[in-house]
Amino acid sequence: GAVVSQHPSRVICKSGTSVKIECRSLDFQATTMFWYRQFPKQSLMLMATSNEGSKATYEQGVEKDKFLINHASLTLSTLTVTSAHPEDSSFYICSASGQASNTEAFFGQGTRLTVV
Amino acid sequence: DAKTTQPPSMDCAEGRAANLPCNHSTISGNEYVYWYRQIHSQGPQYIIHGLKNNETNEMASLIITEDRKSSTLILPHATLRDTAVYYCIVRVVGTYKYIFGTGTRLKVLA
Repeated sequence: GAVVSQHPSRVICKSGTSVKIECRSLDFQATTMFWYRQFPKQSLMLMATSNEGSKATYEQGVEKDKFLINHASLTLSTLTVTSAHPEDSSFYICSASGQASNTEAFFGQGTRLTVV
Repeated sequence: DAKTTQPPSMDCAEGRAANLPCNHSTISGNEYVYWYRQIHSQGPQYIIHGLKNNETNEMASLIITEDRKSSTLILPHATLRDTAVYYCIVRVVGTYKYIFGTGTRLKVLA
């Protein structure tokens, strides 16, 4: 099946710094990618929809200035957590799909962010 | 809001069939049902999806009721590696935006 790759898989950063997470579709073009966040023992929560060549669409309650999303090409979306704080520590996951209507979305392996 | 309801947890003996139910009573006529699973600290893995008819692949079978208000994922011969959280998702038409519910934590017992 199609592959979606996230990098890094784990990152530790200091409070106040920014962290960038990359999501790549390796063997297909993805006009839309999605970013999720997952806290321990909880389900995935959709944060935003990343649209190639246009602004991301954020879910209610997600701060767009804190979670910057850039989708500069059909194979790459990035999520930057700005001025990170310990409460931003979480598991961040992206997904992407091809352009056919009856296919599945594929998920990256996730990025474990720890803010100290 | 999530459009699906699943039991929070289930146990299954190794080698037996695991039947995971999902209720999606508000599903629309052109919305698909998708199943994914998530093993600890990994991204969700696609299992199967369907619209009206029952579906089968190398991983599982999906049984959708005639009124489409519920479905069951069947893992025919569960192994210890099938221990995971299983999510039933109704896909919003025209998008691959998935709204995850709480899922079912399946534990396969030796």
